[in-house]
Amino acid sequence: GESVGLHLPTLSVQEGDNSIINCAYSNSASDYFIWYKQESGKGPQFIIDIRSNMDKRQGQRVTVLLNKTVKHLSLQIAATQPGDSAVYFCAENTGAGGTSYGKLTFGQGTILTVHP
Amino acid sequence: DTAVSQTPKYLVTQMGNDKSIKCEQNLGHDTMYWYKQDSKKFLKIMFSYNNKELIINETVPNRFSPKSPDKAHLNLHINSLELGDSAVYFCASSQGAAVGLFFGEGSRLTVL
Repeated sequence: GESVGLHLPTLSVQEGDNSIINCAYSNSASDYFIWYKQESGKGPQFIIDIRSNMDKRQGQRVTVLLNKTVKHLSLQIAATQPGDSAVYFCAENTGAGGTSYGKLTFGQGTILTVHP
Repeated sequence: DTAVSQTPKYLVTQMGNDKSIKCEQNLGHDTMYWYKQDSKKFLKIMFSYNNKELIINETVPNRFSPKSPDKAHLNLHINSLELGDSAVYFCASSQGAAVGLFFGEGSRLTVL
């Protein structure tokens, strides 16, 4: 289920299910997007990225979809495993140059819990 | 070998003290960052350095002073610590702009 307000959105799935984590980004000028996974007590870890000239990119068990029309990004995880349990962040980059140089702006984060 | 390493991992101190967090990256990247993660897991950029030059300075109190002695190191010094400074501070690095950042494991700062 999901919760709003002061708490992070949550997603609970059973092992083996597919998971979809959604993200709405704010800046229509953003041209590069990344999904990060953060396990408890660790730093964010790069999962997959996508540039704005693409609408889909696949990795190993993960797929990122980009819908620029509605400024929406999603991360699909196939055959979710208990080791996938973590907080997932989307991040957007408005590109090089000026004050946006190398600046990643992170979304709120979603807690994914995978039950064995 | 740890790609982005931060020290210390944990730091507990009293209000009003001054403390530093050190960061080193062995990836050969030219850009380094400091991010702050609050209790709600919100990650916000504080500073960014490219080849030792400050390029991003978000609205951060001037009690926070980053220093980059070379492009492999970016340290963060905090003066007159306040309760609200309690957070996890992450160092990160990248090669150029508009690319993925590699993060360190974080330094948890607790101000009492």
